[in-house]
Amino acid sequence: DAMVIQNPRYQVTQFGKPVTLSCSQTLNHNVMYWYQQKSSQAPKLLFHYYDKDFNNEADTPDNFQSRRPNTSFCFLDIRSPGLGDAAMYLCATSRVKVGGHQPQHFGDGTRLSIL
Amino acid sequence: AQKVTQAQTEISVVEKEDVTLDCVYETRDTTYYLFWYKQPPSGELVFLIRRNSFDEQNEISGRYSWNFQKSTSSFNFTITASQVVDSAVYFCALSYGLGSMIKAAGNKLTFGGGTRVLVKP
Repeated sequence: DAMVIQNPRYQVTQFGKPVTLSCSQTLNHNVMYWYQQKSSQAPKLLFHYYDKDFNNEADTPDNFQSRRPNTSFCFLDIRSPGLGDAAMYLCATSRVKVGGHQPQHFGDGTRLSIL
Repeated sequence: AQKVTQAQTEISVVEKEDVTLDCVYETRDTTYYLFWYKQPPSGELVFLIRRNSFDEQNEISGRYSWNFQKSTSSFNFTITASQVVDSAVYFCALSYGLGSMIKAAGNKLTFGGGTRVLVKP
């Protein structure tokens, strides 16, 4: 029944070793978002896709990239993870509707640890 | 600039007590949306409610109720007769659009800092 699915749930990687987090959705939503959430903080938007249009937040480090090969899947690539990148990464989707802001639907998150 | 403030970082109550979470927002937009999300220990953010800036009616859903007051830029959330399962972090969020109201677009959320609610048995 899960509609936004993130894999893996927990990811451990080494300092500087590239890592990819994945997100898939069964909702057929146009927009997909990636958030970073550090301990005891609010989620922080990294970037989003509106269909195939990629939109980066101004303060998202260059180290973070994203790919959306089709409507259902979106990936977060961290090219050279540093210790400060240890966090929960949340994927969300929303439906596009003229005249209204629709709720974002979140996955369970991937908790990334850096050794 | 958009800003959401949740002044209470943590609230601890005993089961069956009522608890009210405060949310104050700032925006220059005349049209905007407000949301509340719940984040239980498992980590996922669960959507609770959406309210648009034109609708100041209060809303009740089971043990949850929301009070939106545009005059004070507040959107407070009350849990009545709290239960242990209500223990979570609750986020208030303000939404602003990626496009105009005419052009369909996604939306960006500005989150408050969150309020951790601990309900003790």
